[in-house]
Order: sequence, then structure tokens, then C-alpha cells
Amino acid sequence: EAGVAQSPRYKIIEKRQSVAFWCNPISGHATLYWYQQILGQGPKLLIQFQNNGVVDDSQLPKDRFSAERLKGVDSTLKIQPAKLEDSAVYLCASSSLAGGPTDTQYFGPGTRLTVL
Amino acid sequence: AQSVSQHNHHVILSEAASLELGCNYSYGGTVNLFWYVQYPGQHLQLLLKYFSGDPLVKGIKGFEAEFIKSKFSFNLRKPSVQWSGTAEYFCAVTNYGGATNKLIFGTGTLLAVQP
Repeated sequence: EAGVAQSPRYKIIEKRQSVAFWCNPISGHATLYWYQQILGQGPKLLIQFQNNGVVDDSQLPKDRFSAERLKGVDSTLKIQPAKLEDSAVYLCASSSLAGGPTDTQYFGPGTRLTVL
Repeated sequence: AQSVSQHNHHVILSEAASLELGCNYSYGGTVNLFWYVQYPGQHLQLLLKYFSGDPLVKGIKGFEAEFIKSKFSFNLRKPSVQWSGTAEYFCAVTNYGGATNKLIFGTGTLLAVQP
């Protein structure tokens, strides 16, 4: 089966600009996650969707980050305006079950964002 | 709040050496434990997971991990590493019974296997 797709793979922008990332989960997967991985750290959850509803966005900096999952399939994550500390790899993951703690999450290749 | 510690940030081994990577978590409740691997240029892949039952779990590519509840540990082992095992290894945990499936990751261990 096809894996989680993300685009773009790389993005370089200047601070205060805006940027958007796209994710297409594995077909049929109801739960979608966005993680931020800063260099030297493990991934940190930004937001979790169950179908097109938000389950957890407690660590999403809502003053500049937004995410949506229209129709419960694809998702976009936006940063506006970007700061230097947003430089990171943004990972999308999906899981097939109800988003419970025993689900296996499948990760995409990530988008590497550099903010200058 | 739950946290995960991986004390070995960089490990260098020769081929055929045995591997053990440490992982400790902080929360004492029922947990689900995972090891993920990221090979150079590839995405995160699940190596193995523990939910309940036998504390010694076997995963792909000859990896295994042992859950020791009294030590809050879930160390990853492999009897003999290969050059292709060069990668970054992440331990992660979710809290059983939680409303979300938030994976809490450690900072990762970068393993370099020398031929």
C-alpha cells in the first residue's frame, strides 16, 4: 500500500513569510497527526485529527500555526508568519484505528523547513 | 507530564558487535512503548512495540526490547549489528487509556556502525 505522502520535501523562506505543508495519509486512515522535529530532538506532536475533527492541539502555537483537514483526508499545516525557531522537519503520520494509544502510526518523509 | 530519556546520544559500534540502547520513561501508569528507526534519507519506521503481555518483544530485522516496569525502562537490543544498521533510533511512549494517541519521543540515539 502507498505510504504517507508529504510535499514539499524542502522549503526555505525568510522570517515573517508564510508557508504551507501538505499531507496525504494512507488510504482509509482516520487519524492524522502533525509533528515538529527540531534538530537534535525527538518529534513533538502539534495536532491530531480524527477524521476532520481536532482531537489534540494543545502544543500548536495557535498565534502563528494553523491546520485543517477538510473532508477527513488530506491535511495542510500553515505557518504565518514564520520565525527563525520554526526551522525544523514537519512530519505527518496517520493511523487506521480510532486514534487510541495502541495504534501504530505510519510516518511520511517529512518537510524540512529552513527559516532565514 | 510524561517524558522519555535516551541517555546515549551517539553510539559507534563495529560490525557484529552487540547493541543495547537505553530508554527510560517517567510516568508510572500503564504505558505503551515503541521503538522507531530512521535510516539516512528515509522516514521513521516502527521497529517494535509493547502494549501488554510478555515483556520481551521481538520486532523486525532481529531487534528485540525488554520492558522492565520496576525500572521504567524499555531497552532495545540486537545480538549483532550490521553496517546497514547505521541510523537514528527513537524510543516513544503513549499513555494507556488516554484520549489521544500522542507519541512522546525521546531525543534519539544516533548509531554509526563501522565496517
